[in-house]
Amino acid sequence: NAGVTQTPKFRVLKTGQSMTLLCAQDMNHEYMYWYRQDPGMGLRLIHYSVGEGTTAKGEVPDGYNVSRLKKQNFLLGLESAAPSQTSVYFCASSGGTSVTDTQYFGPGTRLTVL
Amino acid sequence: RKEVEQDPGPFNVPEGATVAFNCTYSNSASQSFFWYRQDCRKEPKLLMSVYSSGNEDGRFTAQLNRASQYISLLIRDSKLSDSATYLCVVTSPGALEKLTFGTGTRLTIIP
Repeated sequence: NAGVTQTPKFRVLKTGQSMTLLCAQDMNHEYMYWYRQDPGMGLRLIHYSVGEGTTAKGEVPDGYNVSRLKKQNFLLGLESAAPSQTSVYFCASSGGTSVTDTQYFGPGTRLTVL
Repeated sequence: RKEVEQDPGPFNVPEGATVAFNCTYSNSASQSFFWYRQDCRKEPKLLMSVYSSGNEDGRFTAQLNRASQYISLLIRDSKLSDSATYLCVVTSPGALEKLTFGTGTRLTIIP
């Protein structure tokens, strides 16, 4: 039982390049989230999903897209990376139907955009 | 004003001591409160929920004061393994109900 895994762990991009971050969970959770964590700021919600085939915007969605084609996977895409997207990205999942249910986080992806 | 504010620390505390952190939140409509722990360069993990009546989990005690809109975490008999950043988290009701994370309080336990 791996919990929540994220691929890749590290990535360096040049401005304008695109990439996809993959999050996978093996806990059969309905809810999945993408956050970013920047120095001096708390984790901020980018996008989230309440079930397979559904996605919704969080508080900082601009510049990102997501897809949830399979229940266990939640993909975060950057179509044209910008230096402001340099951050640590965390995926999380929860088994309940409320944001108050415990969220389990993946190990994070450290992204640098030059 | 930030929705959730924490003293960033660092708190450097000798092993065996008691340490307490506070956190204040701005949205009086927030209903649920948590403390998460984040080790250096690792992911956040739930430490404990915070209930109105206060709650204890081993050496950890959490308190909520709704009138003053603050949450506290007390760690007794601190261990080296308690060294981490402690994140205060509250729910933010509204059109987008979500968790709002504080920036964290860094704790280092000194042998």
